[in-house]
Amino acid sequence: GQQVMQIPQYQHVQEGEDFTTYCNSSTTLSNIQWYKQRPGGHPVFLIQLVKSGEVKKQKRLTFQFGEAKKNSSLHITATQTTDVGTYFCAGYTGGFKTIFGAGTRLFVKA
Amino acid sequence: ETGVTQSPTHLIKTRGQQVTLRCSSQSGHNTVSWYQQALGQGPQFIFQYYREEENGRGNFPPRFSGLQFPNYSSELNVNALELDDSALYLCASSLSAGTPNTEAFFGQGTRLTVV
Repeated sequence: GQQVMQIPQYQHVQEGEDFTTYCNSSTTLSNIQWYKQRPGGHPVFLIQLVKSGEVKKQKRLTFQFGEAKKNSSLHITATQTTDVGTYFCAGYTGGFKTIFGAGTRLFVKA
Repeated sequence: ETGVTQSPTHLIKTRGQQVTLRCSSQSGHNTVSWYQQALGQGPQFIFQYYREEENGRGNFPPRFSGLQFPNYSSELNVNALELDDSALYLCASSLSAGTPNTEAFFGQGTRLTVV
């Protein structure tokens, strides 16, 4: 069945360092969403990418959607302690079914 | 806050029992999706309801069932509970408006423990 793989599983960074998480789908995606979940919280929508090769920025966060629409990445520049949490990608191929990756948990040391 | 509320927040049930979880969607949203999130894992799609009809289902057995009401609130029912059903159950509401996948607003979840 359709799978969405996300790496790395964990990432420890020093505050100020950059961070990247990668998402790969076994099938072509119609679109991909990114969510952030703080410890003990619920997923919060960050962004949706739809077009092949699309790049979107939100302050220190940069999101990319691959040309083949099978992979995506989230890059955070100069991490801050407020960036702590788990980042999930969620891929959609149609059929009203969204597949979440397992997430990348980010730890930021001050 | 998202405006999506779930109840109860925590629940402990015995294996074999049945449970009903509830979700009130954000005002104006007509689509509700339910997810199961095991500890340290990503949310797993259970099913989605749009205008009171189930229009998508993940790889969950029939003992997982749901309802959506005219006010777009929703219930998730799980029969014959198993230990592996212990998880955080998340409800997400969205405005479908003809586009299958739109921004979803999650509730705080119900933490279900099966003993």
